Amino acid sequence: HSALTQPASVSGSPGQSITISCTGTSSDVGGYNYVSWFQQYPGKAPKLIIYDVSNRPSGVSNRFSGTKSGNTASLTISGLQAEDEAEYYCSSYISSASWVFGGGTKLTVL
Amino acid sequence: QLQLQESGPGLVKPSETLSLTCTVSGGSISSSDYYWGWIRQPPGMGLEWIGYIHYSGTTYYNPSLKSRVTISVDTSKNQVSLNLSSVTAADTAVYYCTRHRGDSSWFDPWGQGTLVTVSS
Repeated sequence: HSALTQPASVSGSPGQSITISCTGTSSDVGGYNYVSWFQQYPGKAPKLIIYDVSNRPSGVSNRFSGTKSGNTASLTISGLQAEDEAEYYCSSYISSASWVFGGGTKLTVL
Repeated sequence: QLQLQESGPGLVKPSETLSLTCTVSGGSISSSDYYWGWIRQPPGMGLEWIGYIHYSGTTYYNPSLKSRVTISVDTSKNQVSLNLSSVTAADTAVYYCTRHRGDSSWFDPWGQGTLVTVSS
């Protein structure tokens, strides 16, 4: 099963909002409300920031939000801060009782 | 606070079996709501789901790895194990242990990860 498609990089200035897309198919993103987003700093384990398309775990800033339309899920980070600079990965359930990740997006805060 | 810690050899020879253990502390692995599994990340690359197991023994594997993967659970030790057979250099990666909540896309927490290099 092919990986989900994410832009390789996005950038924004402090205070701005950015959106990262995650495009799949009707067999994964489009077929289930089981999309997650993870934040990963270099040399560290990924951290769950959004699950089930739009839910935030306790302790995650409300500046992070998730949505889905058709076969594309999106992560929006509002009020961009320097600490948001990291790699972001999406994941989705797929019809073979399995999970697939996106290739990752490097966020640069200018 | 639930913590996961991976352990095992950092170097494995090609064609041999990679074996890792994840020790869970701060909570019981015998919860009906959760699965315990493995995700890996080759150096400089993205994440790949390997599989997970319920304490009852039910397993789910990535179809692309299924023929080489075995995940098992030891409830008495609160541990989950990963065996990956016939490894090649392509299996070189950081291997993470993580908890998955059933009927959800929740994967949290994660262990710190352990780098396994496949080389002769």
